[in-house]
Amino acid sequence: AQSVTQLGSHVSVSEGALVLLRCNYSSSVPPYLFWYVQYPNQGLQLLLKYTSAATLVKGINGFEAEFKKSETSFHLTKPSAHMSDAAEYFCAVSDQGFQKLVFGTGTRLLVSP
Amino acid sequence: EAGVAQSPRYKIIEKRQSVAFWCNPISGHATLYWYQQILGQGPKLLIQFQNNGVVDDSQLPKDRFSAERLKGVDSTLKIQPAKLEDSAVYLCASTTVGRADSPLHFGNGTRLTVT
Repeated sequence: AQSVTQLGSHVSVSEGALVLLRCNYSSSVPPYLFWYVQYPNQGLQLLLKYTSAATLVKGINGFEAEFKKSETSFHLTKPSAHMSDAAEYFCAVSDQGFQKLVFGTGTRLLVSP
Repeated sequence: EAGVAQSPRYKIIEKRQSVAFWCNPISGHATLYWYQQILGQGPKLLIQFQNNGVVDDSQLPKDRFSAERLKGVDSTLKIQPAKLEDSAVYLCASTTVGRADSPLHFGNGTRLTVT
């Protein structure tokens, strides 16, 4: 069965610092991978997705993620954190044959001035 | 385009009562999902529809949960009777059919509190 593991339920950074949110996947076939962001009292919004076209994927709000098959990882990064980036971030995996997302447990990003 | 609409936003009920949630997906989206998000956890799929047919309901607690999507558009999710552990945010999402890499579009959810 597919799954994703997000290391760290909370990550704290200072404004302007590098953001690194970790995600490792488990899938028996090449997966589709997604990062979603959830702001308080809102639904999930797509940040970016990997669909095998390119290993480095750029998303909205300056975020990017790199697919590393050898490490089964899809970590999310942003060079410089902004206060508005404070939110919950979810990694998700989808099998190529199905339109069904399996989500990780989420990482809450805290940004301090 | 209009997003996924859900109502109500909040609902508080006592255990053993019943409750229903409503979802209107993005126009033209054939696939609709209901996810349950318990505080501190990631969303968990309850049921997936394609048009008005059920694709996957393997994680739906069928003794108390039911869902329907009449005419392949709007959907309702019902809980009867509710338990304390049903307290969660219920998210509806939709997407176009046929592509596994199509992103899901989520509504703002219904926050259910069972007391």
